Amino acid sequence: DQQVKQNSPSLSVQEGRISILNCDYTNSMFDYFLWYKKYPAEGPTFLISISSIKDKNEDGRFTVFLNKSAKHLSLHIVPSQPGDSAVYFCAASIQGAQKLVFGQGTRLTINP
Amino acid sequence: EPEVTQTPSHQVTQMGQEVILRCVPISNHLYFYWYRQILGQKVEFLVSFYNNEISEKSEIFDDQFSVERPDGSNFTLKIRSTKLEDSAMYFCASKGGSGGKNIQYFGAGTRLSVL
Repeated sequence: DQQVKQNSPSLSVQEGRISILNCDYTNSMFDYFLWYKKYPAEGPTFLISISSIKDKNEDGRFTVFLNKSAKHLSLHIVPSQPGDSAVYFCAASIQGAQKLVFGQGTRLTINP
Repeated sequence: EPEVTQTPSHQVTQMGQEVILRCVPISNHLYFYWYRQILGQKVEFLVSFYNNEISEKSEIFDDQFSVERPDGSNFTLKIRSTKLEDSAMYFCASKGGSGGKNIQYFGAGTRLSVL
């Protein structure tokens, strides 16, 4: 099941710079997308989401961009902070369905 | 801040035994879910539960699995006759309403180790 893909298993960014995490999907029926952050020994924590009727959603340091024609979304974190070091999961769902379909995750490391 | 609580944090069992994983969803939430993550793999949907019945389930969720909401606060996942390949992190999640935003809130998970 490769409907949601995060092709970068890891990303290293210097503190204060921008972190960009990417996610691709194949199912054009997906209409709601979410980003979760996960620390070790914790569950996924909801970060930010976007509906397919929008192309951008911003919440503080976090912005999610959606490019429906490319079936691609990205999460921008600016400025990056050491506490942002975690695994980030992209997830997608279809209107009327309950399940979230997750990507493999990207481990983000913010270096001081 | 309200949170989803899961117990135990780690469960060790022998192959063939039954286990019950417990979850207390956020109190005013109506939708409940179980997901699992086998080591090194994706988080996978198992089942969703609404209005005291299963609303959606994956191919993984076969007759070995069952869910129950035995009272107003707990939500359980029972795995009968556990197999080695059932070893995974099991996450419970809950969601408030049926609006367009499918934002699910996750617990810290139960690590199941089948020996």
